[in-house]
Amino acid sequence: DAKTTQPPSMDCAEGRAANLPCNHSTISGNEYVYWYRQIHSQGPQYIIHGLKNNETNEMASLIITEDRKSSTLILPHATLRDTAVYYCIAANYGQNFVFGPGTRLSVLP
Amino acid sequence: NAGVTQTPKFRVLKTGQSMTLLCAQDMNHEYMYWYRQDPGMGLRLIHYSVGEGTTAKGEVPDGYNVSRLKKQNFLLGLESAAPSQTSVYFCASNPIGAETSGRRIREQFFGPGTRLTVL
Repeated sequence: DAKTTQPPSMDCAEGRAANLPCNHSTISGNEYVYWYRQIHSQGPQYIIHGLKNNETNEMASLIITEDRKSSTLILPHATLRDTAVYYCIAANYGQNFVFGPGTRLSVLP
Repeated sequence: NAGVTQTPKFRVLKTGQSMTLLCAQDMNHEYMYWYRQDPGMGLRLIHYSVGEGTTAKGEVPDGYNVSRLKKQNFLLGLESAAPSQTSVYFCASNPIGAETSGRRIREQFFGPGTRLTVL
């Protein structure tokens, strides 16, 4: 399974959009990009996933580059409750997740 | 649905003791997973199961055993606990081929975790 790289930390002002990048340059054709977040030491929470098209749901938008080597998770209006560690994972059919250290997002008032 | 539940939530063991962690899911998922998470790190896969009666090793299987006697339960055992096994343990599950609202479900659903300390 492809490995991903993310910046270790980011800050975002409350109410602004948070754009979290992820690099997955070795992703294979049948691997999806998944995003999860973990608040404190709770269980990871699913946010969104996609294969090659951009995706949007009630939580976030996922923008995947045309070559699929990178993606960006967008939280359109970040709130304090969005402060968490965000994980980007490239995996086949939801199996064999490999979690890196993720990006620690701090939403500042 | 309760989703994925884990028992117990907290446990303290002495070195050499044994224990079993229970993961239960009521979503009829085929796949189940056990992860551990050490401070400041991402989750690492210990063992997983692709169906009742099957198990397979993940990235860090040493010192652990698992069993999947019933589809809804996935047990993680520590036969002789060591301080290096102090960690937070997460269970997860996902289905094969299930759909909701016309969308194929591919994500893993995680439990709340078990915090284990080995003295």
